[in-house]
Amino acid sequence: DQQVKQNSPSLSVQEGRISILNCDYTNSMFDYFLWYKKYPAEGPTFLISISSIKDKNEDGRFTVFLNKSAKHLSLHIVPSQPGDSAVYFCAASVLGTGANSKLTFGKGITLSVRP
Amino acid sequence: DSGVTQTPKHLITATGQRVTLRCSPRSGDLSVYWYQQSLDQGLQFLIQYYNGEERAKGNILERFSAQQFPDLHSELNLSSLELGDSALYFCASSVGSGGAYNEQFFGPGTRLTVL
Repeated sequence: DQQVKQNSPSLSVQEGRISILNCDYTNSMFDYFLWYKKYPAEGPTFLISISSIKDKNEDGRFTVFLNKSAKHLSLHIVPSQPGDSAVYFCAASVLGTGANSKLTFGKGITLSVRP
Repeated sequence: DSGVTQTPKHLITATGQRVTLRCSPRSGDLSVYWYQQSLDQGLQFLIQYYNGEERAKGNILERFSAQQFPDLHSELNLSSLELGDSALYFCASSVGSGGAYNEQFFGPGTRLTVL
């Protein structure tokens, strides 16, 4: 049972435009969400996170939006740059479980930013 | 470079065999996490160790086992290998024990191919 779903396997956008990466989850207990970015031959790296008490978190060109009622979050990258081309993983957790607050990942979305 | 090292980078073996994957966490990190990424699958959490003790368990098969040594490096042992065990295995580390509370830094992964 895939609790974190990234239904679009890939996305291609023009440099300078906005990239919107979507993620849906089914477990209503999730209260902390993260995005990781992964380049080929490297491990994932943390990008940005959001707690369920917020509906938006911004860090430079990256903004994550959370819609709890729809169990949906999205990552916006503005403006998109060729260096943003990578696989993006959405992850979720139940922080209240403390040391058992494991991360549940989606399958990832491959973003390609065309020059 | 995340500071997390994994060896070997690639491993090719046959069904029924046993292999050991090794992970050295970032300096100062006490937690080690193991993840499996199969074809078309997201990162699946396997197990977490904190300062030598098992802290959280995910979807780890009984044929798989792990340990964390006094010097904090960790090994993941995979036995009676099957074709379906072919995957990328990532190790991550964090300072604290709190799962999603602490940012996890990922190694580059070990690609296991079972023939």
